[in-house]
Amino acid sequence: EIVMTQSPATLSVSPGERATLSCRASQSVSSNLAWYQQKPGQAPRLLIYGASTRATGIPARFSGSGSGTEFTLTISSLQSEDFALYYCQQYTNWPLTFGGGTKVEIK
Amino acid sequence: EVQLLESGGGLVQPGGSLRLSCAASGFTFTNYIMNWVRQAPGKGLEWVSGIRGIDDGTYYADSVKGRFTISRDSSKKTLFLQMNSLRAEDTAVYYCARKSGHFDSWGQGTLVTVSS
Repeated sequence: EIVMTQSPATLSVSPGERATLSCRASQSVSSNLAWYQQKPGQAPRLLIYGASTRATGIPARFSGSGSGTEFTLTISSLQSEDFALYYCQQYTNWPLTFGGGTKVEIK
Repeated sequence: EVQLLESGGGLVQPGGSLRLSCAASGFTFTNYIMNWVRQAPGKGLEWVSGIRGIDDGTYYADSVKGRFTISRDSSKKTLFLQMNSLRAEDTAVYYCARKSGHFDSWGQGTLVTVSS
């Protein structure tokens, strides 16, 4: 099983600032990496797939990078609606696995 | 528009059974691997099971293997999860999710509570 590790667990950021979230895989997942956003009481929403491709309707302030075992989600200028939980997920191998999540909170 | 609508959640005693359903619309159901993903209260996301559209091949997380069975009725565009021998640790919101590599569409979830 590929273990996905996200850091930090919590990120405190002021509105308008940049947020950088990390995700590490225990073995290479190539570019088969997705990022999801989840708000309380809602289902996850796809943000990024293929490590760096924004999903339909996702604002350009969200960007993904990395390949192999190290990945980054960057939110260039945090808006109020971006304060949420973020998960990475690999889809190279079964079982499909998620990271433990990063909570982005208002500083 | 892709829509996934789960149903069937509820309160069940430990050792009991429950069957979840997910009604799909807005896409060709057999073209996709359909999945169940769960989230325990206050916890992260855990993939549970998947089923291929082309041949009904199945995948399971170790935590549910032998207890849960995933299936689909392609004529009714419905995904199922039969959950047997339920445990307290199976308490979670269960989401239905369409897989295009990544999970590109999710249902709103159905809550399963295992408690006496």
